[in-house]
Amino acid sequence: EIVLTQSPGTLSLSPGERATLSCRASQNVRVSYLAWYQQKPGQAPRLLIYGASTRATGIPDRFSGSGSGTDFTLTINRLEPEDFAVYYCQQYGSSPQTFGQGTKVEIK
Amino acid sequence: QLQLQESGPGLVKPSETLSLTCTVSGGSISSSSYLWDWIRQPPGKGLEWIGNIYYSGTTHYNPSLESRVTISVGTSKKQYSLKLTSVTAADTAVYYCARGPTYCTSDSCYLTHWGQGALVTVSS
Repeated sequence: EIVLTQSPGTLSLSPGERATLSCRASQNVRVSYLAWYQQKPGQAPRLLIYGASTRATGIPDRFSGSGSGTDFTLTINRLEPEDFAVYYCQQYGSSPQTFGQGTKVEIK
Repeated sequence: QLQLQESGPGLVKPSETLSLTCTVSGGSISSSSYLWDWIRQPPGKGLEWIGNIYYSGTTHYNPSLESRVTISVGTSKKQYSLKLTSVTAADTAVYYCARGPTYCTSDSCYLTHWGQGALVTVSS
């Protein structure tokens, strides 16, 4: 199975700053079938990005995704207070689908 | 608006069977456009895909759990269920049901709608 490694484990930033989160796959992710989710404490994950770079319905344009092959990035421009959360990447191009271990974006 | 809601016992004894149901409102499992998934998250840890089911009853399971998992659709087409046998403490987790489209691969896609999750603790 494809192992997804997210870095850093924790990102300490201030509101208004830019967050850059990395997701590296152990094998090529077919067709850039990579998604990003946001999860807040006590809540279910929320889909942010799919197909590596397509924003899901209702997601603000400060969230953007990029990458292909084995290296993918989620960028959050101008962090808002509600953006502090844990972010997971998911690959769904190879079976079984797998998730990264998460990156926590915390308030500095 | 689609809503998913997990339900079932919050406490299961070791070696017994964990059973959960996901109730779908604002939609139907009989649509050919979606896969209906189960995902779990141990406390303080990451997400693990368990498996999913298509409206026809076709299932796909994570190989790591396949020998213990059964996912099925209820007769009303408004519910689908998860059964996990021979549970241990390692199966303690929040269990989520979720829905994704079918047009990615034969057994996987991104997940657009999630239930709120149900905590299941395995303990005697």
